[in-house]
Amino acid sequence: QVQLQESGPGLVKPSETLSLTCIVSGGSISSYYWSWIRQPPGKGLEWIGYIYYSGSTNYNPSLKSRVTISVDTSKNQFSLKLSSVTAADTAVYYCAREVYSYGYDGGYYYYMDVWGKGTTVTVSS
Amino acid sequence: DIQMTQSPSSLSASVGDRVTITCRASQSISSYLNWYQQKPGKAPKLLIYAASTLQSGVPSRFSGSGSGTDFTLTISSLQPEDFATYYCQQSYSTPRTFGQGTKLEIK
Repeated sequence: QVQLQESGPGLVKPSETLSLTCIVSGGSISSYYWSWIRQPPGKGLEWIGYIYYSGSTNYNPSLKSRVTISVDTSKNQFSLKLSSVTAADTAVYYCAREVYSYGYDGGYYYYMDVWGKGTTVTVSS
Repeated sequence: DIQMTQSPSSLSASVGDRVTITCRASQSISSYLNWYQQKPGKAPKLLIYAASTLQSGVPSRFSGSGSGTDFTLTISSLQPEDFATYYCQQSYSTPRTFGQGTKLEIK
């Protein structure tokens, strides 16, 4: 089955750019939406954004000016860049797959069914 | 953004108890509501999508209901492995938003 694995530096200096990659194994990235979610220590989940395999993106407005999500279908992976980081960006970062089911009412019901294990990123000098 | 509010924020219960967690959306989201379970140090796990559809492999003691703005997650008979934090999440629109979480603890 599909598995996701995040990778990237665990420590980033303030004002620098956080860069993470999520490798998709056991299936093709060439379908569905691919998301980034983060969780500050002891807090809840925050959706960062997602990318469709074709390259179209959707970002959380609260982070939009600093976020870039990209996809590399040849490597079956997608990436997150978050610029100008501060201590408030310290969190566990998860990648996830968002899929949909077609409902009887004609709606498309989206949900995140596969998650990576998460990677801890600390912003500190 | 659609705000999701869960209640209670924490809950103590015993093995075998029936437990209900509530999630309220700041506007109608039809049935575009998902529930996740998260254990310490682990990634969230999808339990229920489309408000009431059980994800494959999830025990049938979990159930979801509701539509519009009010939703519930029910665990019919708590098992030791169910003690965790539960999150609701709306997929009606972007940005996707989560409830603040409900921590289910052993009494």
